[in-house]
Amino acid sequence: GNSVTQMEGPVTLSEEAFLTINCTYTATGYPSLFWYVQYPGEGLQLLLKATKADDKGSNKGFEATYRKETTSFHLEKGSVQVSDSAVYFCALSDRFGAAGNKLTFGGGTRVLVKP
Amino acid sequence: NAGVTQTPKFRVLKTGQSMTLLCAQDMNHEYMYWYRQDPGMGLRLIHYSVGEGTTAKGEVPDGYNVSRLKKQNFLLGLESAAPSQTSVYFCASSSVLGQGGRNEQFFGPGTRLTVL
Repeated sequence: GNSVTQMEGPVTLSEEAFLTINCTYTATGYPSLFWYVQYPGEGLQLLLKATKADDKGSNKGFEATYRKETTSFHLEKGSVQVSDSAVYFCALSDRFGAAGNKLTFGGGTRVLVKP
Repeated sequence: NAGVTQTPKFRVLKTGQSMTLLCAQDMNHEYMYWYRQDPGMGLRLIHYSVGEGTTAKGEVPDGYNVSRLKKQNFLLGLESAAPSQTSVYFCASSSVLGQGGRNEQFFGPGTRLTVL
């Protein structure tokens, strides 16, 4: 079955530091890959996505590249802000939607950015 | 558009009590989902629906039932609550893959449930 593994947190950084959150996956077929972000007390919001190999998703200064050869989708941001403090989830879904676009999530990585 | 809404936001139950969580979406999405979120375990799929009148089991369905009588609503029921069901519950919806290529899920704000 499908699975997603992401680095455990918490990750504590100073403002303007470089952020990397590792994510690797196991899947049959050709999944779509996602990063969701959850701010304190809120639901999940889509941060970025990639639907095929070598695609790069980007949003709000965050980037992630779909690497089929290493089955990875690492999230990066060059200069974090205090407002980036949140929990980040890597996820995949069956590309062809046969399973109703079901998402498989990683365990989440809590990021805390200090001023 | 309100997106995905959930009712209630918080609830405390005693063991053995029952309750229903309501999810509503106004985006005309075909697919809807119920997840539970527990510390360190990410989100786990409880049940999902690929259309009005249909439901299917997810990863952790035991102790829960669902109904999708209307396209816009997806109800999650706990018939006899147990402390192990203390969690944060999220509802989500998505369109059918291929409709503009958008298959991401849109989430509600969550319901925090405590079972004593």
